[in-house]
Amino acid sequence: ELKVEQNPLFLSMQEGKNYTIYCNYSTTSDRLYWYRQDPGKSLESLFVLLSNGAVKQEGRLMASLDTKARLSTLHITAAVHDLSATYFCAVDMANAGGTSYGKLTFGQGTILTVHP
Amino acid sequence: DSGVTQTPKHLITATGQRVTLRCSPRSGDLSVYWYQQSLDQGLQFLIQYYNGEERAKGNILERFSAQQFPDLHSELNLSSLELGDSALYFCASSVVPKTGSQFFGPGTRLTVL
Repeated sequence: ELKVEQNPLFLSMQEGKNYTIYCNYSTTSDRLYWYRQDPGKSLESLFVLLSNGAVKQEGRLMASLDTKARLSTLHITAAVHDLSATYFCAVDMANAGGTSYGKLTFGQGTILTVHP
Repeated sequence: DSGVTQTPKHLITATGQRVTLRCSPRSGDLSVYWYQQSLDQGLQFLIQYYNGEERAKGNILERFSAQQFPDLHSELNLSSLELGDSALYFCASSVVPKTGSQFFGPGTRLTVL
């Protein structure tokens, strides 16, 4: 059974600081997604990482994927209050059989709070 | 706005009842996914449809069923409801399952009393 673990689960940051959220997963996969969820809202797609070594950046967020280490990181640069939200990584459970793409397993989520 | 619509937004019902949640995917998306989000279980994949056919199942209870219709909208049916079924139910859609990100609808909050 695929397990996806994020850490930290809670992150309190000061504005202007940098930090990294880690996402570890237990079985082989080369498809990883990052989502953002604001309180009471739906999930917003941030990044799609589809190969080993993939790196994507959008504004103050940068995501990377190391499939050999089964690790993805979401790096936050110079945090601002608007980044406060819950961040989820999700791994596609598709395996070598390749027939069940889209069956996402989510991490527990990291609740990020950015303080002035 | 992701383009995925879900109705109703809120649903309050009693134990033992049956409800139907409805989802319309983004225009052009063939795949529909259902997820359940609760405090104790987190976000869990329930079931996936692609162009009307069931493609994958997750931890979906036998009391739950779903279908995707020819116009590609989908319905999730929950029956014999229990208190523990109270959760936020999301529908998501994508063009193809293999490479596309899934776009989530606003969700239906189900409360079972």
